[in-house]
Amino acid sequence: EAGVVQSPRYKIIEKKQPVAFWCNPISGHNTLYWYRQNLGQGPELLIRYENEEAVDDSQLPKDRFSAERLKGVDSTLKIQPAELGDSAVYLCASSLDVASGLTDTQYFGPGTRLTVL
Amino acid sequence: TQLLEQSPQFLSIQEGENLTVYCNSSSVFSSLQWYRQEPGEGPVLLVTVVTGGEVKKLKRLTFQFGDARKDSSLHITAAQPGDTGLYLCAADSGAGSYQLTFGKGTKLSVIP
Repeated sequence: EAGVVQSPRYKIIEKKQPVAFWCNPISGHNTLYWYRQNLGQGPELLIRYENEEAVDDSQLPKDRFSAERLKGVDSTLKIQPAELGDSAVYLCASSLDVASGLTDTQYFGPGTRLTVL
Repeated sequence: TQLLEQSPQFLSIQEGENLTVYCNSSSVFSSLQWYRQEPGEGPVLLVTVVTGGEVKKLKRLTFQFGDARKDSSLHITAAQPGDTGLYLCAADSGAGSYQLTFGKGTKLSVIP
């Protein structure tokens, strides 16, 4: 079974440019997460989707970040415009169904390493 | 915001040695998870502990959840180079948030 797929794996852009990351979760997983991992830190949640609904986006910097999960499958995270401080690894994860009431196992993709110059 | 403190931040040992890394907080958690992350990859779940005082073993890895469910430890016996990686603990407050809070991790290097 294929794991969580993310693309691109690496992205280098200049500040003020837009950038987008794509995530394809494990088939059948209803819950999708976007995390940001700064160098030397653990992942920090940006947004969580239940199917196509964003149910927790409290940590998403909404002035420049946006996300969508059309049809409740693939998801895209966008930054516009990018700033130097956005350099990080952006991880996508999926889980079967968090609505069961338990913290379900999250399966992470390999991440996209963003460098903003 | 819950804070998970992991120690040590870095650890470099020789193959065959034993080690213990720690995850501590002032908050009580409904569950705690340990992940290992290799360079260029996402974290991979190793174990979830739920009950205070619980001990789980995964081959040479032993995980313990504190009695008060505020802390946890990971002990590796006879470390091997394949154990090298970033070990992250993550906790769920269980307050209906379904949100994991991660520690900063312990970066382990096992030298052959």
